[in-house]
Amino acid sequence: QQQVKQSPQSLIVQKGGISIINCAYENTAFDYFPWYQQFPGKGPALLIAIRPDVSEKKEGRFTISFNKSAKQFSLHIMDSQPGDSATYFCAASMTGGYQKVTFGTGTKLQVIP
Amino acid sequence: DAGITQSPRYKITETGRQVTLMCHQTWSHSYMFWYRQDLGHGLRLIYYSAAADITDKGEVPDGYVVSRSKTENFPLTLESATRSQTSVYFCASSEARGQGNHEQYFGPGTRLTVT
Repeated sequence: QQQVKQSPQSLIVQKGGISIINCAYENTAFDYFPWYQQFPGKGPALLIAIRPDVSEKKEGRFTISFNKSAKQFSLHIMDSQPGDSATYFCAASMTGGYQKVTFGTGTKLQVIP
Repeated sequence: DAGITQSPRYKITETGRQVTLMCHQTWSHSYMFWYRQDLGHGLRLIYYSAAADITDKGEVPDGYVVSRSKTENFPLTLESATRSQTSVYFCASSEARGQGNHEQYFGPGTRLTVT
């Protein structure tokens, strides 16, 4: 059962452009929505996260937009750089869920010069 | 500052063989997890552990066995490897930090090929 749906599967963006990755979830008990970044040959690492009591969180060039009523959230990467080329996973978890995280299927981002 | 390590990093084995993937963390985190990563499926949870001697199944546990006799170690065993278990395996750990903070720290992964 895919509880977190992520799109697109792959994305090519020009340097300086905006990268947008979208996710949708089903379980309204989720209360933590992280994004993980994974470089080739490495394990995923937490990039940014949001809780459902806010609609937006920004850290540098990375912004999460959250729409609780639509059960959707998205990652925006402003001024995308070649060093941002990686696979991005959205995820969701809930308090009392043994720290388990449900991941989306991933988006492979390529930023071309 | 070793963090979380996995061994081996690469493994080739034959169908039917038993294989054990090791995971070790130095943070004394209570929670540990095993995932497999396959194209088109993202990260799927195999097994998790809330503490030493407490383990439970995740989304795709069939064909795998885990144990956790010590907080810092969480080995994953494929009892009789099949080609469908060819994948990249990630171990992760986490520590409860209150409501709504479930950050997981991942190891570097083990690439397993079953021939």
